[in-house]
Amino acid sequence: AQSVTQLGSHVSVSEGALVLLRCNYSSSVPPYLFWYVQYPNQGLQLLLKYTTGATLVKGINGFEAEFKKSETSFHLTKPSAHMSDAAEYFCAVTKGTSGSRLTFGEGTQLTVNP
Amino acid sequence: DAGVIQSPRHEVTEMGQEVTLRCKPISGHNSLFWYRQTMMRGLELLIYFNNNVPIDDSGMPEDRFSAKMPNASFSTLKIQPSEPRDSAVYFCASSFGQSRPYEQYFGPGTRLTVT
Repeated sequence: AQSVTQLGSHVSVSEGALVLLRCNYSSSVPPYLFWYVQYPNQGLQLLLKYTTGATLVKGINGFEAEFKKSETSFHLTKPSAHMSDAAEYFCAVTKGTSGSRLTFGEGTQLTVNP
Repeated sequence: DAGVIQSPRHEVTEMGQEVTLRCKPISGHNSLFWYRQTMMRGLELLIYFNNNVPIDDSGMPEDRFSAKMPNASFSTLKIQPSEPRDSAVYFCASSFGQSRPYEQYFGPGTRLTVT
């Protein structure tokens, strides 16, 4: 079975500050990991994904995440927050095999203060 | 590409009425997922299909909920009879499940209010 834990349901940062959203996973097989973003009244949009290979992955809007197997983590970062980054962020894990399902974390609401 | 299309975007209905939500996946995708999102329970997977066949419906809350996928380009989620606790945003997502990575593309959602 797989699971995802997002530490902190709400994170608040100042514009221009570092964004760090935490995600830890549990998986019995090598995981595929994803970060999705949800803007108000919209569906989820894929930010970035880790499958195999390079452990530091870059996504859209300047976000990146690093897969750390030893820490079972996949934290999302952005060097400088922008007001437009305010949204809810979801971490997700899957086994990556055909027909496997995504397991989502509970989400982290990011607030960016001017 | 038009992305995943859901209709209606908003639905308000009275308790006891039948509700049908519709989804058109991205062309060429062969897996389709129905999710429900509420403040209390977060994002829940209700059911998913692979090649039009239901693979896992363990998330369907009860017999009042049913889902069909008659062909590769259309799916419905039906609630009959509806209850106020069914009020939520329902998302449809699709993916091309034959190859890795297994990422899903979400529609804009249907906001359902049952009074």
